[in-house]
Amino acid sequence: KQEVTQIPAALSVPEGENLVLNCSFTDSAIYNLQWFRQDPGKGLTSLLLIQSSQREQTSGRLNASLDKSSGRSTLYIAASQPGDSATYLCASGGGADGLTFGKGTHLIIQP
Amino acid sequence: EAGVVQSPRYKIIEKKQPVAFWCNPISGHNTLYWYRQNLGQGPELLIRYENEEAVDDSQLPKDRFSAERLKGVDSTLKIQPAELGDSAVYLCASSLAAHSRETQYFGPGTRLLVL
Repeated sequence: KQEVTQIPAALSVPEGENLVLNCSFTDSAIYNLQWFRQDPGKGLTSLLLIQSSQREQTSGRLNASLDKSSGRSTLYIAASQPGDSATYLCASGGGADGLTFGKGTHLIIQP
Repeated sequence: EAGVVQSPRYKIIEKKQPVAFWCNPISGHNTLYWYRQNLGQGPELLIRYENEEAVDDSQLPKDRFSAERLKGVDSTLKIQPAELGDSAVYLCASSLAAHSRETQYFGPGTRLLVL
């Protein structure tokens, strides 16, 4: 059974800093790796989707990488802003199944 | 384009009472998912539909949970009777196709509190 782990569980940094969120998974036979953002009391918003054949995806200040062989993905946020404060979830896609999620990283950007 | 719609947004009930959640997926999305998210945890899949057929319900507690997707569009998830441990956020998601190469789009969720 796939297990997804996210480190750190919580992170607080000053505005403007670059930061990295980590995600690891136990079964490398994935179809894709997806990063979501969740604001308090809200649903999940998809940020980046990396297919298994890809190494990275970029969207604005966000860059996600995927290393299937080592079972790792990272989400890089450049020039962080207070509006980036949220919980970030990574999830592995295993074919026709639903997604397997990590517990998330709770991020606070201090103004 | 409207996103995934869920109702109600919040529900407070006493244990042993029934409760139902409704989901309307994005138009044209054939695959619909129900997830449960406990506090401080990531969402966990309960059931997946392809059109009106439930193709993966292995994680659905079938003694008290039931779901349906009539006509392959809207879906309803029901709990009867509810227990204290059912307090969680119930999320509905949809995607264009069944396989995980497609992005899943999530609704805002229904936050259930069982007293």
